[in-house]
Amino acid sequence: DSGVTQTPKHLITATGQRVTLRCSPRSGDLSVYWYQQSLDQGLQFLIQYYNGEERAKGNILERFSAQQFPDLHSELNLSSLELGDSALYFCASSVGEEAFFGQGTRLTVV
Amino acid sequence: GQNIDQPTEMTATEGAIVQINCTYQTSGFNGLFWYQQHAGEAPTFLSYNVLDGLEEKGRFSSFLSRSKGYSYLLLKELQMKDSASYLCAARMDSNYQLIWGAGTKLIIKP
Repeated sequence: DSGVTQTPKHLITATGQRVTLRCSPRSGDLSVYWYQQSLDQGLQFLIQYYNGEERAKGNILERFSAQQFPDLHSELNLSSLELGDSALYFCASSVGEEAFFGQGTRLTVV
Repeated sequence: GQNIDQPTEMTATEGAIVQINCTYQTSGFNGLFWYQQHAGEAPTFLSYNVLDGLEEKGRFSSFLSRSKGYSYLLLKELQMKDSASYLCAARMDSNYQLIWGAGTKLIIKP
């Protein structure tokens, strides 16, 4: 158990819909990262937050947005969903060199 | 630009040694990470190198050459449970963002 909690574990939704993925980082970790991993693909960095502020942005679509709240949990919002958004979405947190990953949310868009 | 290359797939025999290579090109460099990922699971941290040389950790070792933009992960005394994808990631020194390779799928045969 990495200490990073992601909910829900699985999500099936229709095209055009909007979903929210939630991440609770390890206690004390200020950085939260979001990644997308499509089938048999590497990790694609989406966005990073540090202590509530956006720190870095990767290949995140305009239909996607995220935020980190004062209690340091983070949410990733995906809207106008398309079939190609089906993927595993990982959240990771870190306080130093090592990032700890949650178990991911498997999103299936039908 | 940023680029990370690693072989797509490798096969090795139980009990043997395997070396997984990773080359990187980043605008600024601040360390090289290796993660292990079993299918459908979260990546787990294996190693971090920021200085040139070999870091040994049990059956796993990681090597870095900054001048050559090259790293490798060495796995000894291979076990069936080592069958997984191995991801290398380079950290940029500008914003500490990680650039991930697509992963090397390692298949261990009896």
